[in-house]
Amino acid sequence: DTGVSQDPRHKITKRGQNVTFRCDPISEHNRLYWYRQTLGQGPEFLTYFQNEAQLEKSRLLSDRFSAERPKGSFSTLEIQRTEQGDSAMYLCASRGGSNYGYTFGSGTRLTVV
Amino acid sequence: AQTVTQSQPEMSVQEAETVTLSCTYDTSESDYYLFWYKQPPSRQMILVIRQEAYKQQNATENRFSVNFQKAAKSFSLKISDSQLGDAAMYFCAYRGSLNNNDMRFGAGTRLTVKP
Repeated sequence: DTGVSQDPRHKITKRGQNVTFRCDPISEHNRLYWYRQTLGQGPEFLTYFQNEAQLEKSRLLSDRFSAERPKGSFSTLEIQRTEQGDSAMYLCASRGGSNYGYTFGSGTRLTVV
Repeated sequence: AQTVTQSQPEMSVQEAETVTLSCTYDTSESDYYLFWYKQPPSRQMILVIRQEAYKQQNATENRFSVNFQKAAKSFSLKISDSQLGDAAMYFCAYRGSLNNNDMRFGAGTRLTVKP
């Protein structure tokens, strides 16, 4: 297990289209996080899963955004009816129970044109 | 709400010299965790160093050390013997012990290392 994997690395989509991103965390990590990072800013928290349960959602996560982690392993983040303001890097991170820090994936860079 | 402030958008250092990156935070919690993450260009974010608030001793990881001032809510990162590979964005982050599901990040400091 080499770390947190995210797919795709880059996504260009037209405004109004739906997009879905995937995150595969470190296998023994039960906690999974999604963050959004815009240019020149630090990551902003979007949502958190413990196993398959989505326990927390940020107010940044509008009703066009949905995240799932159906079997407590990989997670998907879907954005419906994309807007130009959704253009950002979407980061996934995972954490084990005794691990204080997060392990981040390389991110998915979304460009909405 | 907890906030993390990095007041230096950009810093530069000569190779082999020492540089200190500043970070302050605001919290009402007494127990929490602080982190410095490094994000090289187009590469993933990696953990550099972490500090538990209940520990008085400053954390050290090889050339990286922190100056943790709990009363002042300050958490600076010192990089000694800077190397070209240290060039990156550096983010300070806070995670509370009560709501430990939401790590808050500062806006980052871009470090340039001059040969």
